[in-house]
Amino acid sequence: GQQLNQSPQSMFIQEGEDVSMNCTSSSIFNTWLWYKQEPGEGPVLLIALYKAGELTSNGRLTAQFGITRKDSFLNISASIPSDVGIYFCAGQPGSGNTGKLIFGQGTTLQVKP
Amino acid sequence: DTGVSQNPRHKITKRGQNVTFRCDPISEHNRLYWYRQTLGQGPEFLTYFQNEAQLEKSRLLSDRFSAERPKGSFSTLEIQRTEQGDSAMYLCASSLRSGSRETQYFGPGTRLLVL
Repeated sequence: GQQLNQSPQSMFIQEGEDVSMNCTSSSIFNTWLWYKQEPGEGPVLLIALYKAGELTSNGRLTAQFGITRKDSFLNISASIPSDVGIYFCAGQPGSGNTGKLIFGQGTTLQVKP
Repeated sequence: DTGVSQNPRHKITKRGQNVTFRCDPISEHNRLYWYRQTLGQGPEFLTYFQNEAQLEKSRLLSDRFSAERPKGSFSTLEIQRTEQGDSAMYLCASSLRSGSRETQYFGPGTRLLVL
């Protein structure tokens, strides 16, 4: 079945550092979404990407929809302690008329003040 | 505007009991999704509705699971004869499909523990 490979699995960084994480797949996706999840809560939408090559920013966050439609990355600049959490990429498959999302395994981010 | 809400937030039950969860989507969203998330994993798709029609079900959705969205607004997910392996976070998301664009917004989840 369709899978998303998300890396790195975890990151432990110093406050102020920049962070980069990515997702890759062997399948094509129509939409890429990035979510952040904190313990005991549901995922919160950070950025949505709808078009191959699209580059979108949301404050200190920047994400891109890969030109091949098989990958996406998320960058966080100048990290702060409240950036701590688990970041998930999610893609809506390009094959079949489905709305479901396929999720990556998540990147756990820890920020040291 | 209220976001997606789910009730209850937590449920502890004994093996073999039935449980029912409710999801209230963002108003005017025509699609509603159910996902399951186990510890250390990303959410996994279970099923989704467009208005009141159930359009897709995952192989994860055994015959003990049933979901409804009777009036195209709120939805319920019922698990019959619960098993310990059903312990997970059950997440609901809603979206408004507009052309080819669709963004899913998640609720806070219902955490189920089967003893």
